[in-house]
Amino acid sequence: NAGVTQTPKFQVLKTGQSMTLQCAQDMNHNSMYWYRQDPGMGLRLIYYSASEGTTDKGEVPNGYNVSRLNKREFSLRLESAAPSQTSVYFCASSDDSAYTGELFFGEGSRLTVL
Amino acid sequence: AQSVTQLDSHVSVSEGTPVLLRCNYSSSYSPSLFWYVQHPNKGLQLLLKYTSAATLVKGINGFEAEFKKSETSFHLTKPSAHMSDAAEYLCVVSAWYSSASKIIFGSGTRLSIRP
Repeated sequence: NAGVTQTPKFQVLKTGQSMTLQCAQDMNHNSMYWYRQDPGMGLRLIYYSASEGTTDKGEVPNGYNVSRLNKREFSLRLESAAPSQTSVYFCASSDDSAYTGELFFGEGSRLTVL
Repeated sequence: AQSVTQLDSHVSVSEGTPVLLRCNYSSSYSPSLFWYVQHPNKGLQLLLKYTSAATLVKGINGFEAEFKKSETSFHLTKPSAHMSDAAEYLCVVSAWYSSASKIIFGSGTRLSIRP
């Protein structure tokens, strides 16, 4: 019953450093998403992938890149981290073949950029 | 266009009293509506969902919500609050159109339970 697994759970970076957040789901879902959660702003979509090999920008894509490696995995990369990217990042997936819009979330990755 | 508004950023109730968390939405398409719960330092867990079936939806942990199209509301209720209900609650509207889904999150309501 793994569901959606994110790594790492915690990370501290210095400004300008790069890192990749990893996400994997074992539910055979087509769609995967990366969100960031900031106080008072709810969840905002960074990027999403409707299927393997496709990615699209969400509401706040600047400063991020993504890669849909295969159907299971969807990674988020920060090429040059900035303090404004301090946030909690959530990966999610959904089964659009039986569309209801229900999202399945990982437990989050807490990133601090100094 | 879609939007969702959670009318209270923070709600505090006493243990054993009713809970009401308010959510209003707008959608140009037939929406699905969801409530998620987020406990501290945890991911989001689905509480309940409305997907054009019964308008009164029952979820986990004794929560329920009623879809009222005329009022464009989807308020979350529970008859009797428990200490373990203290968490962040997120209302979400979703619609499927043009071969893609559009999912909008509310800004959240933090529920506190007083002993």
